[in-house]
Amino acid sequence: GAGVSQTPSNKVTEKGKYVELRCDPISGHTALYWYRQSLGQGPEFLIYFQGTGAADDSGLPNDRFFAVRPEGSVSTLKIQRTERGDSAVYLCASSPGHQNTEAFFGQGTRLTVV
Amino acid sequence: EDKVVQSPLSLVVHEGDTVTLNCSYEVTNFRSLLWYKQEKKAPTFLFMLTSSGIEKKSGRLSSILDKKELFSILNITATQTGDSAIYLCAVVRSGATNKLIFGTGTLLAIQP
Repeated sequence: GAGVSQTPSNKVTEKGKYVELRCDPISGHTALYWYRQSLGQGPEFLIYFQGTGAADDSGLPNDRFFAVRPEGSVSTLKIQRTERGDSAVYLCASSPGHQNTEAFFGQGTRLTVV
Repeated sequence: EDKVVQSPLSLVVHEGDTVTLNCSYEVTNFRSLLWYKQEKKAPTFLFMLTSSGIEKKSGRLSSILDKKELFSILNITATQTGDSAIYLCAVVRSGATNKLIFGTGTLLAIQP
């Protein structure tokens, strides 16, 4: 597609449930990023993929959060045993992978844990 | 600890006014600073600045970086209601990743 695509756009889940958020990056972009944005805050880095491997997962808040990118394109962010504090907009971005190139963001998934 | 601070947090002006948004940073091994506009959910890219003193322009928007004083400004002239958005500043460090360290943003509202 022309841009970064994220699905679903909105997700409401009950506390304790498992959720998966999907990101389809711009075709040919090797770098993929996940960010989380809480209300009134800027996006916070979660994890970075270069190709299939997670090159930097230092932003994942705890072991309930996990992300994969098995074929170097689509990525899935997985959250186990969701908590109300996980409620936020989850943004995905991709870039060509070269230095000094901007990242292009998707529309995000708004996750609400009730 | 890396820090990006934006000011003001929010701003309300009338259509036609000129606004200046500020971004200061404390980051080890600075490489570049980026400005994004966020209207609904997706931040859209405005500028990338890597060198001090070189102004970047796009229509009514312009931005400049001061690497000695560790700040950047984003100017918008002749504001329009469509400029209403959150403006995000982010910094990239040198290294293997291009991860963005964001400020909290400035909420700009343009009144007709």
